[in-house]
Amino acid sequence: GENVGLHLPTLSVQEGDNSIINCAYSNSASDYFIWYKQESGKGPQFIIDIRSNMDKRQGQRVTVLLNKTVKHLSLQIAATQPGDSAVYFCAENENYGQNFVFGPGTRLSVLP
Amino acid sequence: DAGITQSPRHKVTETGTPVTLRCHQTENHRYMYWYRQDPGHGLRLIHYSYGVKDTDKGEVSDGYSVSRSKTEDFLLTLESATSSQTSVYFCAISGTENEQFFGPGTRLTVL
Repeated sequence: GENVGLHLPTLSVQEGDNSIINCAYSNSASDYFIWYKQESGKGPQFIIDIRSNMDKRQGQRVTVLLNKTVKHLSLQIAATQPGDSAVYFCAENENYGQNFVFGPGTRLSVLP
Repeated sequence: DAGITQSPRHKVTETGTPVTLRCHQTENHRYMYWYRQDPGHGLRLIHYSYGVKDTDKGEVSDGYSVSRSKTEDFLLTLESATSSQTSVYFCAISGTENEQFFGPGTRLTVL
C-alpha cells in the first residue's frame, strides 16, 4: 500500500492467536505514547494511548505496556482477527508538546 | 476519519510548479498538522497550527509553507515542487495537545 515502507518488520500470526508488537523509543523524557493502526490507503487510526505515570492500559482487545526503564512500549492484541492486518506504529511525545515522534511501524499479517 | 477531509487525494505535477494541498475539518479543533510519510521513515511533521493565523515549523519544514485563515482549513503549499517532495501527505487535527486524528492522505507525485 502507499502508506508503508518496503522493509518494514513483519509479524505473522494465526487468526485467533495473540499478537505482540514492540516499539523502542528514544527520548527518556517522553511522557505520552500512542499506538496507531494504518490500513493500506488510509490514514493512521488511533488505537490506544498511555501516559508515563502508568505501566499498563487496557482497551477493547488491546493492551499497551510501558517499560520506562528500558524505553520500551508494546501493543498486545488478543484473539487476532483478519481485520487486524495493518501497519502498527507508536508515537511518543514530551511535555504536551506538538512534536510527536513516530516509529516506522510493524506490519501485522494475520494468517487464516 | 473524525471529520477530516483532504483535497486533492491524488496529484501528479512537474518539478518547479506550485502545489497547494487542503485540509478541512468539521470538528472545530484548535490544532492542525501536516505530516509526510515516506518509505523507511515514520510520519514526519512539516508544520502545525495552534490557532487561526498561528503556525509553527516542524521537523521537515524546508520547501513548505502553510496558512490557516479559518479554524476549519489548513493549507500546505509547495512553492516550487521538487522530486524529493514526492510523498503521501497526511493532515491531522487535535482538540487537545495530545491525541491526533488523521485524514485519509494525499498522494503527491512530482515528476
